[in-house]
Parts: sequence; structure tokens; C-alpha cells
Amino acid sequence: DIQMTQSPSTLSASVGDRVTITCRASQSISSWLAWYQQKPGKAPKLLIYKGSSLESGVPSRFSGSGSGTDFTLTISSLQPDDFATYYCQQYDSYSPLTFGGGTKVEIK
Amino acid sequence: EVQLVESGGGLVQPGGSLRLSCAASKLTFSGYSMNWVRQAPGKGLEWVSFISSSGSTTYYADSVKGRFTVSRDNAKNSLYLQMNSLRAEDTAVYYCARDQGSYSRPEYFDYWGQGTLVTVSS
Repeated sequence: DIQMTQSPSTLSASVGDRVTITCRASQSISSWLAWYQQKPGKAPKLLIYKGSSLESGVPSRFSGSGSGTDFTLTISSLQPDDFATYYCQQYDSYSPLTFGGGTKVEIK
Repeated sequence: EVQLVESGGGLVQPGGSLRLSCAASKLTFSGYSMNWVRQAPGKGLEWVSFISSSGSTTYYADSVKGRFTVSRDNAKNSLYLQMNSLRAEDTAVYYCARDQGSYSRPEYFDYWGQGTLVTVSS
């Protein structure tokens, strides 16, 4: 199985801050990586696919980068609606698909 | 707006069975592969199962292989998950999710249902 490791697990930040979340794969996954945002009691929402492609309707303050084993999700200027938990997911191997453990972005 | 609505969750005893359904609307259901993803209380996301648009190809996580069966009825715009031999560790919110990939293999998920809670307990 491909292991996905996110860091940090929790992040405290203020509105307006630039926020970066890291996701590392246990082996190369090319650019086959997606990022999701999840709020309490809600389903995840797709933000980024193929490492850096922004899903339609997602604000441009979200961006993804990386390839191989190391990836980042960046929020350029944190907004009140962005406080949530973020997950990365690899789809290079479907045996099985795997998610990172999540990064909770909290209000500082 | 695409809608996916899960149903069928509830409380079941260990060793029991449950069938989840996911009703799709406002999308060309038969044109997309679908997945089930679960989330144990307070935990992260775990991919469970995939079914191709025609239903001819399925994949499962090792944790459910041999116990869960995914199926679909394109005429009814519906996805199903038959869960047998349930264990306490299957307790989770189960989401159906549309696959945006282009191949007959699970990729990434652009639409999700609201989830249905399955609790396995005596």
C-alpha cells in the first residue's frame, strides 16, 4: 500500500495568513494526487486534482504543487470559511486508494 | 446541481448484514464510475469500493474484500453496497462519491453524498 503522511496534523492560523500543508507519499505517485476540504458533519469537497489542477468553483487562493513523493496545498490568504480539515489522496495505485491522516486548520 | 443521497444505515449486531443505497439525480449516472468511502467516528477517510460505469469492474479495500459487494442499477440511477459479516470496526459514516476519472479504476471524487451512519454493536 502507498502510505500518505500529512503534516502538520493540526495548524493554528489567523485570517489573512498564508498556510501550507504538506503531504508525502511512501513511493512516487507522479502527480496523481487530490486534495479535499472537510467541515464537521459534512462530506469532503474536492479542491485540487492531478497535483495542481484547481477544481471548478474553488477559490483561486487554493493551490497545489509537487510531484513524485512530495506535495503541498497552499492557501494564500486564509479566510473564515477555510477553517476545516484537509486531506490528500493518492490515485496512482488503486490497490488501495489511500488518504492522508488529515490536517486540521484551527483559528489561532 | 448533482445530488447523491445515501440511505440504509443504522444499528446492526456484529455478524449482521446491511444494504446501503445511493440515489443519484441531476447527473448522467450511467456515464460515471462510483465509489464508497467511509469515515469512522473522529477518524480519517478510508476508500472502500469502486464500480465502473457499466458495473463490469469492481475493486475493494482488503479490509472489506469478501464481505462487501458493490453493485449498481443504471436504470434506477442507484448505487448499492451489500455489507455482510459486519464487525465493530466497520462502524463509520459511509459516503458514496462520483469518480471523475477517465479509466475503469478509482481515481478522485468530485461529488459526494451526505453520508449514512452504520453502527455495528451488540
